[in-house]
Amino acid sequence: GNSVTQMEGPVTLSEEAFLTINCTYTATGYPSLFWYVQYPGEGLQLLLKATKADDKGSNKGFEATYRKETTSFHLEKGSVQVSDSAVYFCALSVQGAQKLVFGQGTRLTINP
Amino acid sequence: DTGVSQDPRHKITKRGQNVTFRCDPISEHNRLYWYRQTLGQGPEFLTYFQNEAQLEKSRLLSDRFSAERPKGSFSTLEIQRTEQGDSAMYLCASSFGSYNEQFFGPGTRLTVL
Repeated sequence: GNSVTQMEGPVTLSEEAFLTINCTYTATGYPSLFWYVQYPGEGLQLLLKATKADDKGSNKGFEATYRKETTSFHLEKGSVQVSDSAVYFCALSVQGAQKLVFGQGTRLTINP
Repeated sequence: DTGVSQDPRHKITKRGQNVTFRCDPISEHNRLYWYRQTLGQGPEFLTYFQNEAQLEKSRLLSDRFSAERPKGSFSTLEIQRTEQGDSAMYLCASSFGSYNEQFFGPGTRLTVL
């Protein structure tokens, strides 16, 4: 079946630290991969995506590279800000299946 | 802003009552999805419509749950005879395009007492 595993949280960092949130997946076929973010009191927002192997998605200083050989899509940011505090979800979608399969989420807190 | 909207945002009900939630997708989106999210977990897929046709239902969707999308526009999700285990955030999303980029609404938080 299709599944997504994220590194367990919560993660607490200081402002300007380097961030990595690990995400690995299992999928039948060739999935599209996504990172969604949920800020406190708000709905899920698409942060970035990648649709094929070796694609790099990027947005707001965040990056993730679709690694087919390691079935991974790790989220990175070089210098985090307090405003990045949120819950981050890795997700996949297999073509034809339409639905998104989410990981359990990683809560990130950035201290000033 | 013409994003996905959901109504109500919060619903408190007693066990055994019926509840109905509404979702209005982004106007040009032909696909509409319902998910359920419990505390500390990622959203779980419930069901999916393309236009007015319900094309997939999760095994999570028991017989007490029914969803409709008349005329391929807004959608409703009804839960009959609610149970405490139904307490969750119910999310609606819509999409248009081949890479399944889904846009989410703010959710309806259901509390069953």
